[in-house]
Amino acid sequence: AQSVSQHNHHVILSEAASLELGCNYSYGGTVNLFWYVQYPGQHLQLLLKYFSGDPLVKGIKGFEAEFIKSKFSFNLRKPSVQWSDTAEYFCAVQGYQKVTFGIGTKLQVIP
Amino acid sequence: DTAVSQTPKYLVTQMGNDKSIKCEQNLGHDTMYWYKQDSKKFLKIMFSYNNKELIINETVPNRFSPKSPDKAHLNLHINSLELGDSAVYFCASSQAGVRFDEQFFGPGTRLTVL
Repeated sequence: AQSVSQHNHHVILSEAASLELGCNYSYGGTVNLFWYVQYPGQHLQLLLKYFSGDPLVKGIKGFEAEFIKSKFSFNLRKPSVQWSDTAEYFCAVQGYQKVTFGIGTKLQVIP
Repeated sequence: DTAVSQTPKYLVTQMGNDKSIKCEQNLGHDTMYWYKQDSKKFLKIMFSYNNKELIINETVPNRFSPKSPDKAHLNLHINSLELGDSAVYFCASSQAGVRFDEQFFGPGTRLTVL
């Protein structure tokens, strides 16, 4: 069975602060990894993805994530957050067939 | 053009009623999904269909019955609605057979059971 854990459930940052959201997964085989973002009142959108190659993945809006296979981690980072980054962030892992989502991290950016 | 659409956007109903939510995707994808997002934002897969065939059926009460008339549509029918069914239901689609399986989500249907 595959699972995903996100360590930070609620993060509050000031604008221009750096962000790192933790994500660890459990699965015995090859995985695809995703970060999705859900802005208030909106549906989920893909932020970035990893399925092979360079473990440092760059996504939209200045976000990046690093896949560390030995740690089963896929942490999301952004060097300087903006108020518009206020949203819910979901890490997801795809093993065989299905995608499992983490519980989500609510990011609140204070102007 | 909307890639994944759902109707209705909001649904308020009484306990015990039967209701349906419709989903359509115009991306040409082979696989469609239903997810339930509860009040704590936890997103859990309910069903997945590939080319009109059920491939994932998580532990969901049999009051929930998905129906896929063709690969572009996946509807969700719920019988005898209960208070605990209140949630946001998201439809999604992806291209099956591709190792990289990005999902495209619909706008969600907020179901409130009174």
